[in-house]
Amino acid sequence: NAGVMQNPRHLVRRRGQEARLRCSPMKGHSHVYWYRQLPEEGLKFMVYLQKENIIDESGMPKERFSAEFPKEGPSILRIQQVVRGDSAAYFCASSPLGVGRNTGELFFGEGSRLTVL
Amino acid sequence: KQEVTQIPAALSVPEGENLVLNCSFTDSAIYNLQWFRQDPGKGLTSLLLIQSSQREQTSGRLNASLDKSSGRSTLYIAASQPGDSATYLCAVVNDYKLSFGAGTTVTVRA
Repeated sequence: NAGVMQNPRHLVRRRGQEARLRCSPMKGHSHVYWYRQLPEEGLKFMVYLQKENIIDESGMPKERFSAEFPKEGPSILRIQQVVRGDSAAYFCASSPLGVGRNTGELFFGEGSRLTVL
Repeated sequence: KQEVTQIPAALSVPEGENLVLNCSFTDSAIYNLQWFRQDPGKGLTSLLLIQSSQREQTSGRLNASLDKSSGRSTLYIAASQPGDSATYLCAVVNDYKLSFGAGTTVTVRA
């Protein structure tokens, strides 16, 4: 399967714990995007990364959230000290094309659903 | 800031009827527009991608039009089937960011 792979698909955390969400882009794609979908809301942009670089993190909360896309391995979205409001579906998407030239499709993973108790 | 609106929010039709889903956006300086389908608890499946220079795209029973100057796109689904029941999302690309509408939830009754 050459699609965007996300894991875990479901994650339950208690308030104050850490959540780590992983995303492996499609083969040949070096551009990764994270989106969040809150219950009954649309998808919101969080962060755009290329290998070893954060290009735009303007949609990501300044505190507790971080993202990386290392040279080797999957992209990681990390949420520290989770709160109930972090409960959402987190989607990763990948693309082969770069900033300002994204005339191609974005391919989305199945999402990681975080529930904070 | 790009704002994307989808009307209606929900739609219920009998099987066989044609579906018309509307999407409007405020900033016409887009690279492309993409229509997605989302099933409950699932990810997004890309249906159609329309480049900014194009006016429409077709795939099987699906046809999407784009009027960039007026900031509108319409997704047509011909001869709807119960399997078409899902939420349909419209997204526009400015630079590298997708801005999504809230979606239209479609129910096709057998």
